[in-house]
Amino acid sequence: DTQMTQSPSSLSASVGDRVTITCQASQDIFNYLNWYQQKPGKAPKLLIYDASNLETGVPSRFSGSGSGTDYTFTIIGLQPEDFATYYCQQYHNLPWTFGQGTKVEIK
Amino acid sequence: EVQLVESGGGLIHPGGSLRLSCAASGFTFSNFVMSWVRQSPGKGLQWVSSITGNGGSTYYTDSVKGRFTISRDNSRNTLYLQMHSLRVEDTAIYFCTRDGPYSSGCHYHWGQGSLVTVSS
Repeated sequence: DTQMTQSPSSLSASVGDRVTITCQASQDIFNYLNWYQQKPGKAPKLLIYDASNLETGVPSRFSGSGSGTDYTFTIIGLQPEDFATYYCQQYHNLPWTFGQGTKVEIK
Repeated sequence: EVQLVESGGGLIHPGGSLRLSCAASGFTFSNFVMSWVRQSPGKGLQWVSSITGNGGSTYYTDSVKGRFTISRDNSRNTLYLQMHSLRVEDTAIYFCTRDGPYSSGCHYHWGQGSLVTVSS
């Protein structure tokens, strides 16, 4: 299985901050990388697909980049509604696998 | 608007069986790959299974192969997950997802989830 190592596991940030989360795959996943946001008690929501494509309706403060085995998710100008847990996920190799998540908390 | 509504979860003893359903609306159901993704309480996400639009191909994570069966009824716009020989470690919220038209892996839309608790 392709292991997805996400870091950090949690972070504290303030409204307006820039937040960066990284995800490293155990093998090349050729940009088959998604980012999801999950709020407590809710289902995950797709934000970024194919490493850097913003899903329809997702604010432009969210972005993704990377290639090969290393990927980055960034929020520029953190908003109150962005406090949540974020997951990366690869879908190049079955079984599709997720990172362990990054909880973004209010500082 | 895409809507996915899961049902069928509950408390079941180890070794028991359960069938989850996912009623879909707001899109042409038969045109899309559908999946099940689960989340253990307080834990991360795990892809479980996917099925192509015509039901001709199915895929499973190793830990459920031979125990779980994914299926769909395109005339009823409904996705199913039949679960047998349930284990304590199958305890999770099970989400139904709508993926892309041709391939699985990108979970564009999610249901609210159905809780399955396996306990004696």
